[in-house]
Amino acid sequence: GNSVTQMEGPVTLSEEAFLTINCTYTATGYPSLFWYVQYPGEGLQLLLKATKADDKGSNKGFEATYRKETTSFHLEKGSVQVSDSAVYFCALSPLWGGGNKLTFGTGTQLKVEL
Amino acid sequence: GAVVSQHPSWVICKSGTSVKIECRSLDFQATTMFWYRQFPKQSLMLMATSNEGSKATYEQGVEKDKFLINHASLTLSTLTVTSAHPEDSSFYICSARDQTLHDSPLHFGNGTRLTVT
Repeated sequence: GNSVTQMEGPVTLSEEAFLTINCTYTATGYPSLFWYVQYPGEGLQLLLKATKADDKGSNKGFEATYRKETTSFHLEKGSVQVSDSAVYFCALSPLWGGGNKLTFGTGTQLKVEL
Repeated sequence: GAVVSQHPSWVICKSGTSVKIECRSLDFQATTMFWYRQFPKQSLMLMATSNEGSKATYEQGVEKDKFLINHASLTLSTLTVTSAHPEDSSFYICSARDQTLHDSPLHFGNGTRLTVT
């Protein structure tokens, strides 16, 4: 079956530090890959996505590249801010558009300090 | 943007009672909504797919008689936890997609924390 593994948190960084949150997946076929973010007290929001190998998703300074050879979709940001403090979820879906069944990782809590 | 509203945000109930959780799509219609459950430090697990006007589709291992789902309109799905027990304590999250838009992402509610005493 499909599965997503992401690094355990919490991750604590100083403002302007470089961020990497690792995510690897197991899936049959060619899934679409996502990063969702959950800010305190809010619901999950789509942060970025990639639908095929070598695609790079990007949003709000965050990036992730779909690496089929390593089955990875690591999330990166060059300079984090306090406002980036949230829980980040890596997820996959067998199909984009018609793919409603998301498989999530366990989430990684990020805390950014001044 | 599209918003999914979930109510209540938290609820405490006694063992043996039933609890209803509502999920509404506020500015779009959703023929399908999804219910997830999240345990502490674990990932969201899809429980069931709620289908407007027809029976919900449950994932393997989810008791349909325990978790009753009703999707009576294009903007409302409800999840009722029947005869709740402490092991049902969890974080329940719903989501929906605006299916009139191509490649619309899933929108999530803020979740409902259920505590059964």
